[in-house]
Amino acid sequence: DGGITQSPKYLFRKEGQNVTLSCEQNLNHDAMYWYRQDPGQGLRLIYYSQIVNDFQKGDIAEGYSVSREKKESFPLTVTSAQKNPTAFYLCASRSPGLAGSDTYNEQFFGPGTRLTVL
Amino acid sequence: GDSVTQMEGPVTLSEEAFLTINCTYTATGYPSLFWYVQYPGEGLQLLLKATKADDKGSNKGFEATYRKETTSFHLEKGSVQVSDSAVYFCALKEKTSYDKVIFGPGTSLSVIP
Repeated sequence: DGGITQSPKYLFRKEGQNVTLSCEQNLNHDAMYWYRQDPGQGLRLIYYSQIVNDFQKGDIAEGYSVSREKKESFPLTVTSAQKNPTAFYLCASRSPGLAGSDTYNEQFFGPGTRLTVL
Repeated sequence: GDSVTQMEGPVTLSEEAFLTINCTYTATGYPSLFWYVQYPGEGLQLLLKATKADDKGSNKGFEATYRKETTSFHLEKGSVQVSDSAVYFCALKEKTSYDKVIFGPGTSLSVIP
């Protein structure tokens, strides 16, 4: 079945350590996204990538890094510079389509990774 | 800038009650509007969408109508079930924006038997 997978589901990290969250999709989507979700808040965009080997900062990129070496994969690294990394992290990809069409804007989400810093 | 406002939760309803979750937006252009649902411990799923004024999105008994004059996209369901318990997010995307989706803060719904 096509979809987006994120691993691990739960992740614990000690302060001062970098950690990488995995996101893989087999939907053949060009665009991929990372969001952060905190309790009682909406989603905030960390990074996004419209095409392989290209990515852009979102609203809260500080303390995070990404790579997009393959179309299927968009890993997120939470670095020790991120001051408050404990959160739920969601990866998404966007369906292809013509600009302005109904399918152009729709994002599909993975199940998320809950990161806790100890 | 663009923004989405939702009614504060949590909302608690009895099974078969009528549901309304209010959503209003601010946008400079003519956005597409979405409702996403997040079940406990899971990622978001698209529930319904509308791409232009007066469009009605519907899915699984939920409906929302794009009201440009009131900049609203309220979510409704005539008879909720326990399985509808989740967090609901209203969102918008400007058609002129390549990739920016603005999400509201989410409204938690609990349906009790």
